[in-house]
Amino acid sequence: NAGVTQTPKFRILKIGQSMTLQCAQDMNHNYMYWYRQDPGMGLKLIYYSVGAGITDKGEVPNGYNVSRSTTEDFPLRLELAAPSQTSVYFCASSSQYEQYFGPGTRLTVT
Amino acid sequence: RKEVEQDPGPFNVPEGATVAFNCTYSNSASQSFFWYRQDCRKEPKLLMSVYSSGNEDGRFTAQLNRASQYISLLIRDSKLSDSATYLCVVNPGGSYIPTFGRGTSLIVHP
Repeated sequence: NAGVTQTPKFRILKIGQSMTLQCAQDMNHNYMYWYRQDPGMGLKLIYYSVGAGITDKGEVPNGYNVSRSTTEDFPLRLELAAPSQTSVYFCASSSQYEQYFGPGTRLTVT
Repeated sequence: RKEVEQDPGPFNVPEGATVAFNCTYSNSASQSFFWYRQDCRKEPKLLMSVYSSGNEDGRFTAQLNRASQYISLLIRDSKLSDSATYLCVVNPGGSYIPTFGRGTSLIVHP
């Protein structure tokens, strides 16, 4: 089992560009989550999904979009990147309460 | 009052010391409790679940006090490799959306 995988590991974007952060899990988990973590801060929930075709906003959804067409994949889309979106992005999945995280994507917007 | 509060530390202890962290939560309907460990620039990883009866895993002991709404983590015989940030995680009753504390930083020195 690969667990939760994320690509890319690092990315530098220019202001106004768009990109998609990829997340995949091979544990057949229904629940998937996207978090961002700013330096020295805690995790903030961006979006989550309770199953294929069902997504909902978390605490900080502005500037992001998600889709969940399969159980395995949960991509996060950034439209019109802004410097405030510079952060580390973690994807996670769970079958119930215990979450498993991917290694993260370090994004810098300049 | 924040939903989940932790002392950010850092706790600076010598090898072999015993150290304890507390975490308080505000939602009395919370039902699931966890400690995660996050190494510098890495993803959070589940350390242990916290049960009403308490639980122990080697040098680590977790306790839950529902009356006072806090959970604790005790680390005995600290190792250099225990240096990390410890995240307290609480799930409100019936929800698969956890609330993360900001974490407590532990530094174990020789």
